Amino acid sequence: QKEVEQDPGPLSVPEGAIVSLNCTYSNSAFQYFMWYRQYSRKGPELLMYTYSSGNKEDGRFTAQVDKSSKYISLFIRDSQPSDSATYLCNAGGTSYGKLTFGQGTILTVHP
Amino acid sequence: NAGVTQTPKFQVLKTGQSMTLQCAQDMNHNSMYWYRQDPGMGLRLIYYSASEGTTDKGEVPNGYNVSRLNKREFSLRLESAAPSQTSVYFCASSEYREVPGLPRRQELTGELFFGEGSRLTVL
Repeated sequence: QKEVEQDPGPLSVPEGAIVSLNCTYSNSAFQYFMWYRQYSRKGPELLMYTYSSGNKEDGRFTAQVDKSSKYISLFIRDSQPSDSATYLCNAGGTSYGKLTFGQGTILTVHP
Repeated sequence: NAGVTQTPKFQVLKTGQSMTLQCAQDMNHNSMYWYRQDPGMGLRLIYYSASEGTTDKGEVPNGYNVSRLNKREFSLRLESAAPSQTSVYFCASSEYREVPGLPRRQELTGELFFGEGSRLTVL
């Protein structure tokens, strides 16, 4: 079992919709939770970074962590065609070096 | 600000040929990684180096070797390329941070900085 599991999608929504992307993780030692966005033919870039539980908001994006259920979510409000990308979740916070990702969710926002 | 630089960006190989993908980072990070990305499979960890002088296997290490040449550079070698190794390869680096409230405890945060990728085709 991967340490981080992600709903694979793909997901296709109309412009303006609210998007919900989800991951689960298995290692209770994880303290840092991240969402990366990857545009076609580019490397992933960090989108949201959360330490421990709770919510973090940045513009139209909200990252949510529930450590009791080991659940990570990313919400996109008023989605735009420019949000079309692959979204990957990741978790960290251990003293060893291995970092694994969820499978990634391909999101398409159509006008 | 170069960040993580990978070379080459594109390469076509014949089955059985060997090649090395180069990666260098200028952020003074301790940890470096090689991932491969295939459609429907997401990012899969091939090898990683938690610090200079150490390397460890990831999820899919078979058919690959790595060298952590120094703190900046981490190379990935395919000794005898196979069509199954056709993929996009990403190098990344990361850093340890002090744990809030525990001054002498270091944790790997998981915040990764990626290169632009190397597209490899094996015929």
